[in-house]
Amino acid sequence: GQQLNQSPQSMFIQEGEDVSMNCTSSSIFNTWLWYKQDPGEGPVLLIALYKAGELTSNGRLTAQFGITRKDSFLNISASIPSDVGIYFCAAGGTSYGKLTFGQGTILTVHP
Amino acid sequence: NAGVTQTPKFQVLKTGQSMTLQCAQDMNHEYMSWYRQDPGMGLRLIHYSVGAGITDQGEVPNGYNVSRSTTEDFPLRLLSAAPSQTSVYFCASKDRREGREQYFGPGTRLTVT
Repeated sequence: GQQLNQSPQSMFIQEGEDVSMNCTSSSIFNTWLWYKQDPGEGPVLLIALYKAGELTSNGRLTAQFGITRKDSFLNISASIPSDVGIYFCAAGGTSYGKLTFGQGTILTVHP
Repeated sequence: NAGVTQTPKFQVLKTGQSMTLQCAQDMNHEYMSWYRQDPGMGLRLIHYSVGAGITDQGEVPNGYNVSRSTTEDFPLRLLSAAPSQTSVYFCASKDRREGREQYFGPGTRLTVT
């Protein structure tokens, strides 16, 4: 089946540092999404990308839909302690509503 | 709106027991789905439904049954639980319009001994 390779698997950073994570696939997708999951909660959508090459920001978060439609990245600038959590990329193809998820990046921010 | 609700939050089963995980949404979403989350594997789609009376298999459907008799509810049934089904289960719903996000419930943590 379709797979997404998300890296890095985990990051340990100091408060104030910038963070970058990415997701790649051998398949083409029409939609790329980035979710954040807090402990004991379900994933919450951060950014949605619908067009190849699209660059979208949401506060300190910026994400891009790769021009080849096979990858995406998420940047977090000036990290703060509440950024701690698991970040997932997800991608959608032509099958309505069905998403494929990456393995997740565990982010730890030291004050 | 309560959004997507799931019950129970925690459950322990013995091998061979059956149970139903409940999922409900009050947003009148046509699309609903069940995922399981295992360490290092992200979320994997079990079953999904594009409307009442319509269900289909996802990536990992074996050992699970679903039905969709109403727009609001989408229960997931384990007929004979196995230790390999120990996981965290998430239900999600989505508006049928293109580009709308999926909303996730808080999850059910299931342990099968």
